Amino acid sequence: DQQVKQNSPSLSVQEGRISILNCDYTNSMFDYFLWYKKYPAEGPTFLISISSIKDKNEDGRFTVFLNKSAKHLSLHIVPSQPGDSAVYFCAASEGSGNTPLVFGKGTRLSVIA
Amino acid sequence: DAGVTQSPTHLIKTRGQHVTLRCSPISGHKSVSWYQQVLGQGPQFIFQYYEKEERGRGNFPDRFSARQFPNYSSELNVNALLLGDSALYLCASSPAAGQRIKPQHFGDGTRLSIL
Repeated sequence: DQQVKQNSPSLSVQEGRISILNCDYTNSMFDYFLWYKKYPAEGPTFLISISSIKDKNEDGRFTVFLNKSAKHLSLHIVPSQPGDSAVYFCAASEGSGNTPLVFGKGTRLSVIA
Repeated sequence: DAGVTQSPTHLIKTRGQHVTLRCSPISGHKSVSWYQQVLGQGPQFIFQYYEKEERGRGNFPDRFSARQFPNYSSELNVNALLLGDSALYLCASSPAAGQRIKPQHFGDGTRLSIL
């Protein structure tokens, strides 16, 4: 059973608009969440993280929102740029990050100029 | 500073063979984790090593083994290769076993193809 779910395999957004990528999880013990971006032929690159004691974390154009009651998090990218086109993975961990990452299947974001 | 480096970048093997994949963590990082990413899926945890000791193991058969050396580099070994072992194998390093302070940083992976 998938503990981390990214139900949208792909997303297309126009340049300059907002991209919203969603992630749901089932394990209530997860307390640390991360987003990674992956380009072809490269390893995943860390983007942003959030601890379960927060409901929002912002870093430049990237903001992650966490809704613990709904077991849902989202990544907002504003404004979207063509260079943001990549596969985005949501990942979660227990014990304040002391357990291995559990990844979703990823969402392929295409930002159209 | 150099990032996580993995070798080789690509590898082709046949069923039944064994393979050794190598990983050098970021300087100063003592924890190394291995993940398998099959096409269309997210990375799946295989092993974590910290200070040369196994700290965690994912749901993989005993054909998979790993070790960490005194310089914190690591090897992943897979015996009796199956077609289903074809995947991108990713190595990640972090300063400590937990990643509360800093997240894991990934290498570019080894693409393993089994014929």
